Amino acid sequence: NAGVMQNPRHLVRRRGQEARLRCSPVKGHSHVYWYRQLPEEGLKFMVYLQKENIIDESGMPKERFSAEFPKEGPSILRIQQVVRGDSAAYFCASSSRDSVYGYTFGSGTRLTVV
Amino acid sequence: GEDVEQSLFLSVREGDSSVINCTYTDSSSTYLYWYKQEPGAGLQLLTYIFSNMDMKQDQRLTVLLNKKDKHLSLRIADTQTGDSAIYFCADPWWAGGYQKVTFGIGTKLQVIP
Repeated sequence: NAGVMQNPRHLVRRRGQEARLRCSPVKGHSHVYWYRQLPEEGLKFMVYLQKENIIDESGMPKERFSAEFPKEGPSILRIQQVVRGDSAAYFCASSSRDSVYGYTFGSGTRLTVV
Repeated sequence: GEDVEQSLFLSVREGDSSVINCTYTDSSSTYLYWYKQEPGAGLQLLTYIFSNMDMKQDQRLTVLLNKKDKHLSLRIADTQTGDSAIYFCADPWWAGGYQKVTFGIGTKLQVIP
């Protein structure tokens, strides 16, 4: 499997619950990016991580959102106490450091908050 | 950050050519991307062009770059119904030692049979 794997594909949460989105990058890729696509909007950068380090979280909402990329295992985007406005498609992408071919994207997790 | 703009919607008849336009603000881009997103799927890198090129052709796809006007276009010849998707223009830029990518809002291409 050469692609970025995201799960779950679809996630439904009630307001106030927690959402955990997982991303396994392409084997050998050490850079992970999370983007959010709101309905009828483009992709907005959220966070950039390398193994065990958050490099840039300038696009993350200040509260309720967190991300990690542990030494072992997938990258996790965690949203606590979800609200309806969190409903969106969340895409993970990975790259190797000097890739001229851009990111490889996963198929996304579509979060619906009811 | 950088800014990338593109129109929201384009409708063409099957067999015609499609032209999707994009403008960007970053003057230091080394290359620019076009991504394709099919319904319910992630983004797939369609093609890219280095900033020292004016044109790149890849089968039915032609990318034109006007650096002076910071204008990028994607032409799809003989458009097919399978080309119906959202097309994103994307501008990678360096942010303190690492690369970030700014995406346009995406142009939804509708192909009418």
